[in-house]
Amino acid sequence: AAGVIQSPRHLIKEKRETATLKCYPIPRHDTVYWYQQGPGQDPQFLISFYEKMQSDKGSIPDRFSAQQFSDYHSELNMSSLELGDSALYFCASSLKSYRGQDNEQFFGPGTRLTVL
Amino acid sequence: AQKVTQAQTEISVVEKEDVTLDCVYETRDTTYYLFWYKQPPSGELVFLIRRNSFDEQNEISGRYSWNFQKSTSSFNFTITASQVVDSAVYFCALTLYNFNKFYFGSGTKLNVKP
Repeated sequence: AAGVIQSPRHLIKEKRETATLKCYPIPRHDTVYWYQQGPGQDPQFLISFYEKMQSDKGSIPDRFSAQQFSDYHSELNMSSLELGDSALYFCASSLKSYRGQDNEQFFGPGTRLTVL
Repeated sequence: AQKVTQAQTEISVVEKEDVTLDCVYETRDTTYYLFWYKQPPSGELVFLIRRNSFDEQNEISGRYSWNFQKSTSSFNFTITASQVVDSAVYFCALTLYNFNKFYFGSGTKLNVKP
């Protein structure tokens, strides 16, 4: 079965550079979630989208922005990168039922971002 | 507010020992889901189990078993006859009925020594 695809899997950037992480949800899934997991930390929710609209927002820095496109893939844009942005970034996807409830989230393999 | 607590930061056992990972959660919602994920050194989150708040039946899957007790708000995970391949960080997580986002515990690092 198709899973959530994230690219790139590894990314190395310098301070103050910009990074773009991509997430391709499971086919027919309409909701995407982004999580950030710092070294030795648990994953923290950043932001989610449903039908290309932002549906929930967590502790996402102002330097980060995200969007969901018409094909439901999502991109997380990170500008003015800082050393503390080094983390594993997970994307998850789900399908909302007709009642507006999400079904189970499926996680992608993550993108490991290293900021030097 | 929702919260998941995994009080055990790190556990070390010798192969073939049984080990229990504790998870305590807080929520005022009556409908919620509890999860356990395994995160090996490679980093991916491996789904182990999902339980909804209305199903307190314990579950066994091979060497893995889960004990869900609403009375104590706990969802503990036991590995029987542990193996070196079980070494990983294990996360307990909670979502509400709408699955809007996960609330993760801080994780328990399990070291299984040969």
